[in-house]
Amino acid sequence: TQLLEQSPQFLSIQEGENLTVYCNSSSVFSSLQWYRQEPGEGPVLLVTVVTGGEVKKLKRLTFQFGDARKDSSLHITAAQPGDTGLYLCAGRGYSGGGADGLTFGKGTHLIIQP
Amino acid sequence: ETGVTQSPTHLIKTRGQQVTLRCSSQSGHNTVSWYQQALGQGPQFIFQYYREEENGRGNFPPRFSGLQFPNYSSELNVNALELDDSALYLCASSFGPSTQYFGPGTRLTVL
Repeated sequence: TQLLEQSPQFLSIQEGENLTVYCNSSSVFSSLQWYRQEPGEGPVLLVTVVTGGEVKKLKRLTFQFGDARKDSSLHITAAQPGDTGLYLCAGRGYSGGGADGLTFGKGTHLIIQP
Repeated sequence: ETGVTQSPTHLIKTRGQQVTLRCSSQSGHNTVSWYQQALGQGPQFIFQYYREEENGRGNFPPRFSGLQFPNYSSELNVNALELDDSALYLCASSFGPSTQYFGPGTRLTVL
């Protein structure tokens, strides 16, 4: 069974601060996605990382895929209240046949206070 | 381009009843996956449909079943509802094994 551990579970910081969210596993993933979810809504895709060591930037958000493709991080620079939400990482494993779906972490609840 | 849509938005049922949830996939997508998200948890994979056949399933009992139609829309059926089935049910569409895009979800409450 593949598991993804996200940390921290909860994070409340002031506007303008920097933060990093981690997503770790003992399993290797073929790709990893980061989603952001608002209460009562579906997850919205932020980025997909595929290559070990890959770094992708989306404005103030920087995503990194570990060299061994077992872990990932999300770094936010100068956080703003609009960044508030649930951040989920989801990994796609290697399947011998059929589909295993995405394995999600439990998420990081992020609150940015003005 | 139309995104993933789900209906209904909210649903209240009682224990033992049956429920059907619906999902329309994004234009150009042929694969639909269903997830259950309990409060405070990440989504858990229920099953996936590709070309009208189930081609992958998570750790859910047989009372969770589904269908995919020729237009790639899909249904999730849950029989003999239990209190623990209360959750947000998410549908995601993709083109084969590519990136999945999620709908807004259906909030199911079982009383």
